[in-house]
Amino acid sequence: DAGITQSPRHKVTETGTPVTLRCHQTENHRYMYWYRQDPGHGLRLIHYSYGVKDTDKGEVSDGYSVSRSKTEDFLLTLESATSSQTSVYFCAISVSGTGGLWENSPLHFGNGTRLTVT
Amino acid sequence: RKEVEQDPGPFNVPEGATVAFNCTYSNSASQSFFWYRQDCRKEPKLLMSVYSSGNEDGRFTAQLNRASQYISLLIRDSKLSDSATYLCVVSDQTGANNLFFGTGTRLTVIP
Repeated sequence: DAGITQSPRHKVTETGTPVTLRCHQTENHRYMYWYRQDPGHGLRLIHYSYGVKDTDKGEVSDGYSVSRSKTEDFLLTLESATSSQTSVYFCAISVSGTGGLWENSPLHFGNGTRLTVT
Repeated sequence: RKEVEQDPGPFNVPEGATVAFNCTYSNSASQSFFWYRQDCRKEPKLLMSVYSSGNEDGRFTAQLNRASQYISLLIRDSKLSDSATYLCVVSDQTGANNLFFGTGTRLTVIP
């Protein structure tokens, strides 16, 4: 158990409303990630963080923002949710120093948030 | 062209069978390779890393072919509990935005 908790686990919201998903870790890791998973696509990176207040965009960042004011929390916000953002969202951590992966530093995922935008 | 490609399956095999999955990657500079397992409606979990010389963990064998840019996963003596989706993950280790996931290969082991 890598000590990652996501909340909420499930969320149904209406188009145009703001939504914030939370990822909390207990092990003080530097790198945290937000991915979305959709049928027919591999996990796709939305945003990532390499430290407090240090974040960067991933492959599919449009419509999303993130914040990391504390090491343990990484928040993902949909400013105005759209139906195309219906997805399963996974937070992950990496224990590596660069954020890359190698054999001794796999990604550890949270248990996911299922978001439905109606 | 996708960075990582997998046959989505599904692979339906009887208990005890041997099954193999392949995954191809496009970036010849890729350095690290992994197989993750994802159960239905759960998060992905690391199954095994893939080493250049190939590696085995119980009934699971992973191999890397750099020349042809693919990795493989072999499962021997399949169990019902092996039913899951297997994700191929590739990294070039240069940074957090250079981790690439395949779409997964679904395996169902039939009694």
